[in-house]
Amino acid sequence: DQQVKQNSPSLSVQEGRISILNCDYTNSMFDYFLWYKKYPAEGPTFLISISSIKDKNEDGRFTVFLNKSAKHLSLHIVPSQPGDSAVYFCAMNYGGSQGNLIFGKGTKLSVKP
Amino acid sequence: DAGVIQSPRHEVTEMGQEVTLRCKPISGHDYLFWYRQTMMRGLELLIYFNNNVPIDDSGMPEDRFSAKMPNASFSTLKIQPSEPRDSAVYFCASSLRQVSGYTFGSGTRLTVV
Repeated sequence: DQQVKQNSPSLSVQEGRISILNCDYTNSMFDYFLWYKKYPAEGPTFLISISSIKDKNEDGRFTVFLNKSAKHLSLHIVPSQPGDSAVYFCAMNYGGSQGNLIFGKGTKLSVKP
Repeated sequence: DAGVIQSPRHEVTEMGQEVTLRCKPISGHDYLFWYRQTMMRGLELLIYFNNNVPIDDSGMPEDRFSAKMPNASFSTLKIQPSEPRDSAVYFCASSLRQVSGYTFGSGTRLTVV
């Protein structure tokens, strides 16, 4: 039973446009949410995070939105650049001294010049 | 800091052989995680340690899998005997706090033939 779902395995966007990556979850106990980016032959790298007390967090071209009532997380990249082409994983945790990050299966983003 | 270091990068072995994967976490990090990535299941947690002590090994698929962390700077994941279905990319990650962003190594691509 998948607690974290990334329903789009792939996404193609034109350079300069907005990329929107989506993630849905089922466990309302999750209270910390992250996005990771992964290039081929490398490990995932941390991109941006948000805690459940917020609904938006920005870092440069990257913005993460959290809709707790819909159990939905999204990552916006504006403007998209060819170097953003990678696999993006959402991950989440319900904190405290227990638990660990649970990852979605990833969405492969291709940004075309 | 050199980051999380995993070895080997690639391992090809015959079914039935013992395989040992190695990980050196970032100095000072007190959590260490072993993940496995497959197309079917995505990134799944196998086991994690806190201060060298195994905390949760519920993700270890079978008794054929074992992990140790003899000191703060080294961990191993062993598969004995290996099977073709163990073929995957195995990632090690470390962190300072469990809910912070993890730092992943570059992974070990294991192929069991």
